Amino acid sequence: NAGVTQTPKFRVLKTGQSMTLLCAQDMNHEYMYWYRQDPGMGLRLIHYSVGEGTTAKGEVPDGYNVSRLKKQNFLLGLESAAPSQTSVYFCASSYELYPTGELFFGEGSRLTVL
Amino acid sequence: AQSVTQLGSHVSVSEGALVLLRCNYSSSVPPYLFWYVQYPNQGLQLLLKYTSAATLVKGINGFEAEFKKSETSFHLTKPSAHMSDAAEYFCALRAGNQGGKLIFGQGTELSVKP
Repeated sequence: NAGVTQTPKFRVLKTGQSMTLLCAQDMNHEYMYWYRQDPGMGLRLIHYSVGEGTTAKGEVPDGYNVSRLKKQNFLLGLESAAPSQTSVYFCASSYELYPTGELFFGEGSRLTVL
Repeated sequence: AQSVTQLGSHVSVSEGALVLLRCNYSSSVPPYLFWYVQYPNQGLQLLLKYTSAATLVKGINGFEAEFKKSETSFHLTKPSAHMSDAAEYFCALRAGNQGGKLIFGQGTELSVKP
């Protein structure tokens, strides 16, 4: 029972390079989210998806793109990485939109941009 | 607008002492509140959630939280701290928009002294 799996777990980029973070969930959840975690700021929503083929912007979407071509996968892309994107990225999924449903989180992907 | 505030970014207690982590929320609609725990280099794990069924909510690992509407609070407590409780704790509110995202507090790091 894998739950939410993120790859890679660690990555170091140079400014201007691009990369993609992959999130995969095996719980058949409709709703998926990408957050970034920075010290003293909690977690902030980057983008989210309410179903296969749909994506929408969260609180801090600039510099990121996402895709959800398959229900189980949610990809986060950085086209031209900047040092301000150094962070820990978490993917989460949820089985329902109803407010009582919790989010299930992956273990995180630590990205450093030099 | 909905928001969550955690009072105290660092809390230190002795093993066996009471743990009290404070969370206040702001919401114009009935809130659905969560506490998550994050152990070092891991993802977030659900401790407990408030869904309006009962104001005192019991979670895993001996934690509980009490919802107080008059004080707009949802403080997390544990009668007796254990060394293994050392972690970062996040209070969160399920939003009414943006795909039902979780709105997080800034987090409280709990240290447990022997």
